[in-house]
Amino acid sequence: GESVGLHLPTLSVQEGDNSIINCAYSNSASDYFIWYKQESGKGPQFIIDIRSNMDKRQGQRVTVLLNKTVKHLSLQIAATQPGDSAVYFCAEKGAWGKLTFGQGTILTVHP
Amino acid sequence: DGGITQSPKYLFRKEGQNVTLSCEQNLNHDAMYWYRQDPGQGLRLIYYSQIVNDFQKGDIAEGYSVSREKKESFPLTVTSAQKNPTAFYLCASSNFRQNSPEAFFGQGTRLTVV
Repeated sequence: GESVGLHLPTLSVQEGDNSIINCAYSNSASDYFIWYKQESGKGPQFIIDIRSNMDKRQGQRVTVLLNKTVKHLSLQIAATQPGDSAVYFCAEKGAWGKLTFGQGTILTVHP
Repeated sequence: DGGITQSPKYLFRKEGQNVTLSCEQNLNHDAMYWYRQDPGQGLRLIYYSQIVNDFQKGDIAEGYSVSREKKESFPLTVTSAQKNPTAFYLCASSNFRQNSPEAFFGQGTRLTVV
């Protein structure tokens, strides 16, 4: 069946470093992907999205890369800050806007 | 401000009781969704609704029921048939037909069986 998964469950970085969070997906027909940030006890917050006709999309301090050949997504966070500490999920949009989520990566930023 | 409001934030249920979680949105979104999140895991889809008076089962609908009588509201009932209801429940909405169809989430309801 369709699935979206993450390579690493945890990532620890020093403040100011760049962070890279990875995600693999299995449905080659997927045309829209989203990255969400979830802080403890809160709902997921939209970070950035990318369509399958794009390889790269940049936002403020974040960049998402899409490699359709190997069905891989990554989220890059520049100059990581303690406020970036959270769980990060990639999600794949299916029919009717339904989202399929991966397990999530816990990002910890040390001051 | 526009957004999605879930209530209550914390809910305790006794064995054998039904409980209803509220979700209201003022974003004028057509579609609404309920997801369940267990510790250390991603979100799984319970039910979704594309339009008023219509809803569909998601991946884990057993033991849950929903209604969509108004565009703004999509309440979720956790019935006594749900054997393991303790979880974090998240409601979302989207205009999935638009160019930026990302889903917006509420702040969640944490349900605990006591």
